[in-house]
Amino acid sequence: KAGVTQTPRYLIKTRGQQVTLSCSPISGHRSVSWYQQTPGQGLQFLFEYFSETQRNKGNFPGRFSGRQFSNSRSEMNVSTLELGDSALYLCASSLRDSPLWGYTFGSGTRLTVV
Amino acid sequence: AQSVAQPEDQVNVAEGNPLTVKCTYSVSGNPYLFWYVQYPNRGLQFLLKYITGDNLVKGSYGFEAEFNKSQTSFHLKKPSALVSDSALYFCAVRDKAESSASKIIFGSGTRLSIRP
Repeated sequence: KAGVTQTPRYLIKTRGQQVTLSCSPISGHRSVSWYQQTPGQGLQFLFEYFSETQRNKGNFPGRFSGRQFSNSRSEMNVSTLELGDSALYLCASSLRDSPLWGYTFGSGTRLTVV
Repeated sequence: AQSVAQPEDQVNVAEGNPLTVKCTYSVSGNPYLFWYVQYPNRGLQFLLKYITGDNLVKGSYGFEAEFNKSQTSFHLKKPSALVSDSALYFCAVRDKAESSASKIIFGSGTRLSIRP
């Protein structure tokens, strides 16, 4: 079966712009989590959605937002981009909102802000 | 609050030798523990997890990890390293005592380099 699909794979944006990243989970998976990966900060939790509801949120400014649709696809949006937002953004899906079911990660979207 | 530490940024091992990647954790209750591996320009791949039961957990690609509650550790091991094991390894934890939301916290990662 298809894995977690993240689009686009690469993105270059200018400071001050906004960006929307997309994540399609594995069919049947209802939980989607987002992480930001940078060399300096490692993997940092952004937010988690389950059945269209945000269940948990990390310590990121309000410029970072997300949502989940009825088909479990998720998007995250970053407004007023800063150079420090350059990172690999990873999406992970799970069958249910419990780590007992494990996470499956997508290949990520590499965002470069110039 | 939960946290996880990987004290070594890099581990270098000769092919055929045993390897250990260290991980310690801190949670208020009992932990769920995980190991993931990341290859260049890819997402994370699941290796193994500890939920409950036997302290020695076997996972993918010949890896195993030992849960040690008294030392709050969950070190990743493999008896004989392969060059293809070279990658970035992440330990992760979730506190069972937390709410049902499945936030998992990752360590800073350890780069494993296997020399031929």
